[in-house]
Amino acid sequence: DTEVTQTPKHLVMGMTNKKSLKCEQHMGHRAMYWYKQKAKKPPELMFVYSYEKLSINESVPSRFSPECPNSSLLNLHLHALQPEDSALYLCASSHNTGGHQPQHFGDGTRLSIL
Amino acid sequence: DQQVKQNSPSLSVQEGRISILNCDYTNSMFDYFLWYKKYPAEGPTFLISISSIKDKNEDGRFTVFLNKSAKHLSLHIVPSQPGDSAVYFCAASSGSNDYKLSFGAGTTVTVRA
Repeated sequence: DTEVTQTPKHLVMGMTNKKSLKCEQHMGHRAMYWYKQKAKKPPELMFVYSYEKLSINESVPSRFSPECPNSSLLNLHLHALQPEDSALYLCASSHNTGGHQPQHFGDGTRLSIL
Repeated sequence: DQQVKQNSPSLSVQEGRISILNCDYTNSMFDYFLWYKKYPAEGPTFLISISSIKDKNEDGRFTVFLNKSAKHLSLHIVPSQPGDSAVYFCAASSGSNDYKLSFGAGTTVTVRA
């Protein structure tokens, strides 16, 4: 069982909808990440939060809006997405962003844009 | 630009034999390397890592070897089991790049009974 929980597991939305992806971890980790993974490709980093503050934005379009309400929760707000945004969205966490340590991933949200 | 490369998209191995997965990198600043395993419909699971100050790290059936001069690492799985059938991703990071992970494209391992 993964210790990073993502909801929902699947999401279908239209291009004009607003929805949110949620991620939760209770390992006491202070760094949390959003990745996007297309079929047969490696995960691509989108955002990094360190101690609830956004530390890295990999030039992600503004239709993706991250939020970190507290040290255990990470949200990704979606608005006016495009069909090419259909992908698996993975959340990950690690103890912090300083030094080398593994990131632990959730099972992802499979997003389909109609 | 792909800085971490897994040139074998797939590998088939007999149960009980050794699986060897290879990974090459181009960025000489990378100093921490990881292997992840991914089943369909699940997120990547951390398997094993190695720091650049070592050339070998072992954890049960999994051993990672690092050859810094060749910018090459490999994952050995001995003995291979049917449950090892999955996609394996190699990843690397460096402090000079904010410890962001760069992933390879993955190798699909199939263990035959």
